[in-house]
Amino acid sequence: DGGITQSPKYLFRKEGQNVTLSCEQNLNHDAMYWYRQDPGQGLRLIYYSQIVNDFQKGDIAEGYSVSREKKESFPLTVTSAQKNPTAFYLCASSITGSTGGYTFGSGTRLTVV
Amino acid sequence: EDKVVQSPLSLVVHEGDTVTLNCSYEVTNFRSLLWYKQEKKAPTFLFMLTSSGIEKKSGRLSSILDKKELFSILNITATQTGDSAVYLCAVYSGNTPLVFGKGTRLSVIA
Repeated sequence: DGGITQSPKYLFRKEGQNVTLSCEQNLNHDAMYWYRQDPGQGLRLIYYSQIVNDFQKGDIAEGYSVSREKKESFPLTVTSAQKNPTAFYLCASSITGSTGGYTFGSGTRLTVV
Repeated sequence: EDKVVQSPLSLVVHEGDTVTLNCSYEVTNFRSLLWYKQEKKAPTFLFMLTSSGIEKKSGRLSSILDKKELFSILNITATQTGDSAVYLCAVYSGNTPLVFGKGTRLSVIA
């Protein structure tokens, strides 16, 4: 079945450590996105990529980095520069130029301990 | 800057009640408005609206868009406890990613 897989589902990190969240899709979608969700804040865009080897910053990119070496994969690294990384992270994908329908992964809950 | 505002932010109702969730938007190049339901993890798609005045319906849920007044409503009739979730509204304006509102948290109590 086609879909998006995020891993791990839960992640604990010590302060000062970098961590990488995985996002893989087999939908043949060109575009992929990372959103952060905090209670009462909705979804806020971190980074997005519309094509392999290219990506753009979203509204809250500081303290995060991404890569897009393959169409299927869009990993997100939460660096030690991110001051408040505890949150729920959602990855999504879509067909470029569509009317906006996204397919979401199940999310990764990151907790800094 | 594109903006999506949802109201109310939270709502508690009893089973059987009818609820109306609101979404207003300001975008420079509107293409579509989408509603998602998020229960625990991944948001699931409910409706996509592109034209004014045409109601989309799925069971007890319905939604309509007013492009002149720049808002949409999501109606849920005869609510059930399974309707408890966060309902997200998002707007698509072309080549940029979806812009989401903060969501409305709906709690349906028996």
